[in-house]
Amino acid sequence: EAQVTQNPRYLITVTGKKLTVTCSQNMNHEYMSWYRQDPGLGLRQIYYSMNVEVTDKGDVPEGYKVSRKEKRNFPLILESPSPNQTSLYFCASSNEEGATQYFGPGTRLLVL
Amino acid sequence: LAKTTQPISMDSYEGQEVNITCSHNNIATNDYITWYQQFPSQGPRFIIQGYKTKVTNEVASLFIPADRKSSTLSLPRVSLSDTAVYYCLLYNFNKFYFGSGTKLNVKP
Repeated sequence: EAQVTQNPRYLITVTGKKLTVTCSQNMNHEYMSWYRQDPGLGLRQIYYSMNVEVTDKGDVPEGYKVSRKEKRNFPLILESPSPNQTSLYFCASSNEEGATQYFGPGTRLLVL
Repeated sequence: LAKTTQPISMDSYEGQEVNITCSHNNIATNDYITWYQQFPSQGPRFIIQGYKTKVTNEVASLFIPADRKSSTLSLPRVSLSDTAVYYCLLYNFNKFYFGSGTKLNVKP
C-alpha cells in the first residue's frame, strides 16, 4: 500500500532533550516536506526537500533540522525542543514539484 | 509566497451544493491554486488544483476568474461525510502556504 509513515505518533518530552521524528514514504517520491499545525494557524511548512541531499527552508524553520540521506526517509530533528514547538507535525511527499502531496498520519508532540 | 484568505466556517445541509471562496489578491504569475480537505486527526488530502478558468474532477469543481485573485471550490450535493476543514493554498515550485482553512459543517 502506498503510504507515508511517521514515528512516533505521540511524543511527550522535556525542554532541551533532543528528539527525532521519522518520516518514510514507499512511493519513490522525490519531494518531501514537513509541516506543523497549530490551532488558528493552519499548516505551516517547516522544511522541504527536492531530492537526496537537497533541502530548503519553509516558512517556519527556526529550531528544526532535517536531513535527506535516502530518498525514502526525511527525518525532522529538534536539537533542543522548547514548549513553543508543541504542535501536530505532518510529513508529506509528492513525485514532482507542485504535484499532489500525500500526507502522513501526523505526530503529536508535547514539550514540557 | 502570497497568502490566502477564506471564511473561517460555513454551514450547509445534506444534498446542497457548497461553494467556498478563497481570496489571493497577491497571487504571482507562477503560482498554482490547489485545495485540500482535512478530517480531524488526519493529514490533509488533495481535492483539486488549477491555474485558470475551470477545472472539474469526480469530487469537485474549481472556478478561477481571469484575474486569478480569487478561486471558488464547488462541492456538489454534500453529505455528512464532507464535514471537514478545506484549505485553499497557493504553491510555487516547492513552497506551499496553507492558511487557516474553512471549517465546513454539513447538517442532516
